[in-house]
Amino acid sequence: DTAVSQTPKYLVTQMGNDKSIKCEQNLGHDTMYWYKQDSKKFLKIMFSYNNKELIINETVPNRFSPKSPDKAHLNLHINSLELGDSAVYFCASSLADRPYNEQFFGPGTRLTVL
Amino acid sequence: AQTVTQSQPEMSVQEAETVTLSCTYDTSENNYYLFWYKQPPSRQMILVIRQEAYKQQNATENRFSVNFQKAAKSFSLKISDSQLGDTAMYFCAFYTDKLIFGTGTRLQVFP
Repeated sequence: DTAVSQTPKYLVTQMGNDKSIKCEQNLGHDTMYWYKQDSKKFLKIMFSYNNKELIINETVPNRFSPKSPDKAHLNLHINSLELGDSAVYFCASSLADRPYNEQFFGPGTRLTVL
Repeated sequence: AQTVTQSQPEMSVQEAETVTLSCTYDTSENNYYLFWYKQPPSRQMILVIRQEAYKQQNATENRFSVNFQKAAKSFSLKISDSQLGDTAMYFCAFYTDKLIFGTGTRLQVFP
């Protein structure tokens, strides 16, 4: 009965590799997000998708490419990983027609780039 | 641009006592929403409480309440009867078209 799930929970990889993080929500939400939490715990939005369409794209390197195959899934692919990409990545979802936009977060994926 | 400031990097409180976490924000918007999220060591982000800017009444959720001062752009969180399980990072967040987080306050509850 998990609401927002992410796989994997931990990811350790070498610089230069390409990796993907998957996110799925079973809440019937139409909007999904990716956030990055750095080593100082600062949390910042990266992308937002509504009904598979990109609606928010913050200043994120081109090496990061989100993909939404359907409303329930939002994956994050990262090319040519760098040391500075090490962080915890959170997926979240919400219903766009709710004015307060309560977002439900996944458990996070801790990415470590060596 | 909207910004959210949490001026207390760390706070501590004894079990059963009351603690207040501060948050200020900057915006030119009139309609917006404010949230407090809790992140325990498990790192799961949990919504604690929310406040609509158009409502003057302060939100409360059991032991959690806010002091929302719109003119001062202040949104503090009061935790009453603190419990060991309240130990966590607490993030203040502001929403209009996207969620903007403060830098967080690490709260430690001591027995």
